[in-house]
Amino acid sequence: DIVMTQSPLSLPVTPGEPASVSCRSSQSLLHSDGYNYLHWYLQKPGQSPQLLIYLGSYRASGVPDRFSGSGSGTDFTLKISRVEAEDVGNYYCMQALQGPYTFGGGTKVDIK
Amino acid sequence: QVQLQESGPGLVKPSETLSLTCTVSGASLRTYNWTWIRQPAGKGLEWIGRSSTGGTTDYNSSLKSRLTMSVDTSKNQFSLRLRSVTAADTAVYYCVVGYVALDYWGQGMPVIVSS
Repeated sequence: DIVMTQSPLSLPVTPGEPASVSCRSSQSLLHSDGYNYLHWYLQKPGQSPQLLIYLGSYRASGVPDRFSGSGSGTDFTLKISRVEAEDVGNYYCMQALQGPYTFGGGTKVDIK
Repeated sequence: QVQLQESGPGLVKPSETLSLTCTVSGASLRTYNWTWIRQPAGKGLEWIGRSSTGGTTDYNSSLKSRLTMSVDTSKNQFSLRLRSVTAADTAVYYCVVGYVALDYWGQGMPVIVSS
C-alpha cells in the first residue's frame, strides 16, 4: 500500500497570514495520463470532510481561490494564501493512484 | 443537488456483522464511483473501499477478509457489510460518491461495537 505522510501535525495560524501543509507519498502519484492522483480534503469541526483540491492542483467547485495545491510525484503542498477563521479544521491528503487508496494522518489547523 | 444518507444499526455486538446502507439522491450510481470511509473518534480518516463505474472494486488491505460491498442501482443504494466486528471497528462511517475524487459525502453514521 502507498503510505502518505503529512506535516506538520498541528499548525497554529494567524488570520491574514499564509499557511502551508506538506504531503509526501511513498510512491510517485504521477499517472501516465499526466495527472497526479493526489487530493486534499478539509474536515471542519463537527462536519463531514469536503473536497478542496483534486488531481494535485485543481480547486473543487466553490473552493475559494486562496487555496492552492502544487507538487508532483511524491511531494505535494497545500497552501492558503491568507488564512481566514473559517479555514480551521483538519486537512487530509489522499492518494487515488492505486487501490487501496490511503489518507495522510491529517494536519490540524487552528487559530493562534 | 447530490445528497447521501447512511442508515443502519448504531450499535453492534462484538463478533457480529455491521451492515450499513447509503441512499443517494440527485446522482446515479450508474455514473458515479462510490466509496466507504470511516473515522474513529478523535482520529483521522480511514479509507474502507470503493467501487468504480468500470466495475473495479478495491478494499482496505486490513479489512479485506471481513468486508463485502455491494450496490443496488435500481434503488440507487450501496451497502457495506463488515463481519466479526470488534471494538476497533467503532467509528463514524461515511458514504461518499464522486468521479475523480470524493466529491459528495454523507453526514456520517456513528457505529459503536459493544455488548
